[in-house]
Order: sequence, then C-alpha cells, then structure tokens
Amino acid sequence: KAGVTQTPRYLIKTRGQQVTLSCSPISGHRSVSWYQQTPGQGLQFLFEYFSETQRNKGNFPGRFSGRQFSNSRSEMNVSTLELGDSALYLCASSLNKRESDTQYFGPGTRLTVL
Amino acid sequence: AQSVTQPDIHITVSEGASLELRCNYSYGATPYLFWYVQSPGQGLQLLLKYFSGDTLVQGIKGFEAEFKRSQSSFNLRKPSVHWSDAAEYFCAVGEGGNNDMRFGAGTRLTVKP
Repeated sequence: KAGVTQTPRYLIKTRGQQVTLSCSPISGHRSVSWYQQTPGQGLQFLFEYFSETQRNKGNFPGRFSGRQFSNSRSEMNVSTLELGDSALYLCASSLNKRESDTQYFGPGTRLTVL
Repeated sequence: AQSVTQPDIHITVSEGASLELRCNYSYGATPYLFWYVQSPGQGLQLLLKYFSGDTLVQGIKGFEAEFKRSQSSFNLRKPSVHWSDAAEYFCAVGEGGNNDMRFGAGTRLTVKP
C-alpha cells in the first residue's frame, strides 16, 4: 500500500505570495492532519480534517487554512506569506479520528519564503 | 493542556552501546504516547506507541519504551545501537478525542563508530 504523498516536495516563494500544498493519504484513511516543523518551534499541529470537516485547529493565524476532498485528499493554503512561514510542512493520515489510530507521516513539503 | 519534554537535545553514543532517550509528559488522564524517528529530509516514522495495558512496549528496529505513571515518563531504549539509528527522535502525546499530537522538541542521536 502506498504511503502518504505530499506535493510538491520543495517550494520557494516570496513574501506576500500565497501557496497551496497537497497531501494524499494512505488509501482508506479518512483523517488527515497537518503539522509545521521549524528549528525554533519544533513540530506544531496546524489542523485536522475528517470526512471533509475540520475537527481541530492549532494556534495559527487565519492565513493558514485547509480543506479535505471527498476522496480524503487534503490541501493546505497559506496566504500572504511571511518569512517565518518557512518550514517543513508535514501531513499525516490515520484510518479514523480516534486518538489511538496511528498517524502515518508523509515526507513533507519544504517551503522557503524569501 | 498536555505537554511533552525531552530533556536531552543531543546525545552521542558509540555503536553497540545501549541507548536511553528520556521523555516526560504532562497530562491529567492516561495519555496516548508515541515515539517517532525522523531521518534527515524525511517524514516521521512511528517506532512504538502506548495506550494501555503492559507498560513495556516493543517497537520496530529493536526499540522498546516503558511507561511509568509515577514518574510521568515514557523513555525509549535500545540495547545495542547501530550506526543507522542516527536520527532525530520525537516523543509525542495524544489527547483523548483529538488527533492533534503534542510533540517534544526532539533528541538528535549521533552514533560514533
């Protein structure tokens, strides 16, 4: 079974632009979570989607948004990019929304904001 | 809110030596605890997890972890480290009812030949 895939793997943008990242979960998985990883803040939870609904959201500004499609694929969008948005963005999928379900991570999208 | 502390930012061990990575959590109820490993440029791979039952959990790649409620700890151990174990290790705690995990800051493991 294929793992979690994220596209693109690398992205360079300039301040003020917006960006969309994509995540395809493992087949059959219905929950998708997004995390931001930076050297300074570590791994921080962004949001989680289940059955096209956002279930939970971390402490990030409204510039960060996401959505999930009926096939469970998910996208996250960051508008008006800031230098501090440079990070590795990780997507994780799990079978359902239970906390006991293992989350499987993709390789991440490395976003650089210039 | 739950939180996770990994006191050691960087640990160096010799190949073949034993390893213990520390993790302390703060959570009111019985937590859901995880250890993940991340190699450079890669995503996170689950090593093991604890939800309930036997407090000694076996994982992949020869790793194990022990849940100690009295010490609020979930330390990761390996009896003999291999050079390929060099990576960053993250302890995480999940909150009941939610899929947002709280991660520790990570411990970078260097393995000396």
